[in-house]
Amino acid sequence: SQTIHQWPATLVQPVGSPLSLECTVEGTSNPNLYWYRQAAGRGLQLLFYSVGIGQISSEVPQNLSASRPQDRQFILSSKKLLLSDSGFYLCAWSYRGEGELFFGEGSRLTVL
Amino acid sequence: SQQGEEDPQALSIQEGENATMNCSYKTSINNLQWYRQNSGRGLVHLILIRSNEREKHSGRLRVTLDTSKKSSSLLITASRAADTASYFCVTWGYQKVTFGIGTKLQVIP
Repeated sequence: SQTIHQWPATLVQPVGSPLSLECTVEGTSNPNLYWYRQAAGRGLQLLFYSVGIGQISSEVPQNLSASRPQDRQFILSSKKLLLSDSGFYLCAWSYRGEGELFFGEGSRLTVL
Repeated sequence: SQQGEEDPQALSIQEGENATMNCSYKTSINNLQWYRQNSGRGLVHLILIRSNEREKHSGRLRVTLDTSKKSSSLLITASRAADTASYFCVTWGYQKVTFGIGTKLQVIP
């Protein structure tokens, strides 16, 4: 069966520090991968998605970046965090960009 | 935009009552899905209804789809405290899904 792992679950970072959130999928190949951010009490904002290794589409211009170094690995990064980067980050995958989205448990980032 | 828009934004009911949430979308679809998010957790897929279906059931969930009105509804019957969560309807655009702000359901024991 397919599983998705996302880590770390929580982190507190100072403004200006770097960020790396990692997501891996098991049990499937060539998934579409997604990073969403959710501000407190709000809906999900799509940040990046990827349909293959090295292929990244950015939805919102900001100081975050994403990479897909391996088929089932998706990384969200920042060189210098801003206060506004605080939020709940969710990784998800789907098969061929249709049907069900499978979500990780999320990473809660607090930037101080 | 393919974004679904849920209505109401917040709903508070007593345990045992039924909860109805509505969703509107803007363009033609192949299917529409509903997800649930418990506070501070990832989203869980509830049900998918295809564009050629008008109604679908899964346990205590009933989903309807009206493609002529570009709308869907989610009915949760005999609600339980554990149904307290946010609910989102979503449709696919090209390779991606965008979410609305959801309906926040509170079921009071």
